Amino acid sequence: DIQMTQSPSSLSASVGDRVTITCRASQGIRNDLGWYQQKPGKAPKRLIYAASSLQSGVPSRFSGSGSGTEFTLTISSLQPEDFATYYCLQHNSYPPLTFGGGTKVEIK
Amino acid sequence: QVQLVQSGAEVKKPGASVKVSCKASGYTFTSYYMHWVRQAPGQGLEWMGIINPSGGSTSYAQKFQGRVTMTRDTSTSTVYMELSSLRSEDTAVYYCAELEILGYWGQGTLVTVSS
Repeated sequence: DIQMTQSPSSLSASVGDRVTITCRASQGIRNDLGWYQQKPGKAPKRLIYAASSLQSGVPSRFSGSGSGTEFTLTISSLQPEDFATYYCLQHNSYPPLTFGGGTKVEIK
Repeated sequence: QVQLVQSGAEVKKPGASVKVSCKASGYTFTSYYMHWVRQAPGQGLEWMGIINPSGGSTSYAQKFQGRVTMTRDTSTSTVYMELSSLRSEDTAVYYCAELEILGYWGQGTLVTVSS
């Protein structure tokens, strides 16, 4: 199974801050990775697909990078509506598909 | 627009089974695999398995082998996930989702297992 190690598990940031979240895969997954945002009581929403492609309708302050085993989600200027939990997901090799453990972004 | 609409919340007793439905619209149902993911209260996301709506083939996470069955009805563009021998640890929100191409999720179905 491919393990996805996501860090940090939580972070505190202020509106306007630049935020970076990382996922590391236990083996190479090419660019078969997505980033999801989840708010309390809601289904996850995909922000990034194929590691660096912005989902339609998602603000351009979100960006993704990486390939192989190291991936990054960056929020260039954190907005109030961005406080949420973020997950990465690899779909290169399954079963099983594997999610990162999540990063909770909180208000400082 | 793409929509995945799931069935409503369920309360089940330990040992029972639950069957959750997910009706797809806004795209060609047989073109994309459907996944099931669950989330226990306060926990992360856990992948359960996948079904190919075209041929009906399935693949399940080892943790759920023998307890989960995923099926589909192409006439109604609906996929189903049945989980048997329920225990309290199965209390969770269950989601259907197209995870590889479209990136769409259903709204979730809360399944509560309690005596």
